[in-house]
Amino acid sequence: SQKIEQNSEALNIQEGKTATLTCNYTNYSPAYLQWYRQDPGRGPVFLLLIRENEKEKRKERLKVTFDTTLKQSLFHITASQPADSATYLCALWIGTYKYIFGTGTRLKV
Amino acid sequence: EADIYQTPRYLVIGTGKKITLECSQTMGHDKMYWYQQDPGMELHLIHYSYGVNSTEKGDLSSESTVSRIRTEHFPLTLESARPSHTSQYLCASSKHSNQPQHFGDGTRLSIL
Repeated sequence: SQKIEQNSEALNIQEGKTATLTCNYTNYSPAYLQWYRQDPGRGPVFLLLIRENEKEKRKERLKVTFDTTLKQSLFHITASQPADSATYLCALWIGTYKYIFGTGTRLKV
Repeated sequence: EADIYQTPRYLVIGTGKKITLECSQTMGHDKMYWYQQDPGMELHLIHYSYGVNSTEKGDLSSESTVSRIRTEHFPLTLESARPSHTSQYLCASSKHSNQPQHFGDGTRLSIL
């Protein structure tokens, strides 16, 4: 079955630098991949969706890449700010009605 | 800009009680979901609804039940709460199954 791997260790980054978070998956490439932000005690908030045939998607300081050969998506935040500190979740579409979510990577700026 | 609302936000209750967690959305979305999330863990889908009068169980086995009598309302019920039900329960909705989901802020449930 499809599995998602996100680095469970927290990522500490200096303000102003680019943060890069990784989402690896194990089996087939999903048609859709999403990134969410989750703050403590809150529900996830949608950030970006990228389709299988798209290599890259941008939104303001955020950029997502999708490499179906490596089975990997990278999520970049440029010019990181303390307000970017949160847990970032990767979600893969596995068909019918379901996304599966990774455990997330905690970012501290 | 919360368009999906969950109540209560926190609930501490004794074993054996019947509990209903409320979820309402104002976006007119057909698809609604219930997830369970423990600290530091991934979200697990426990229930899904395609639309009114249509519900399915998710991958994670759950003793809870759901109903979808109105598009905007998707309550989750535990008939007899147990300590193993202690968790955070998140409700979400989307326009289409493969599109972004809008989440509520969850109910943190503690069963004593």
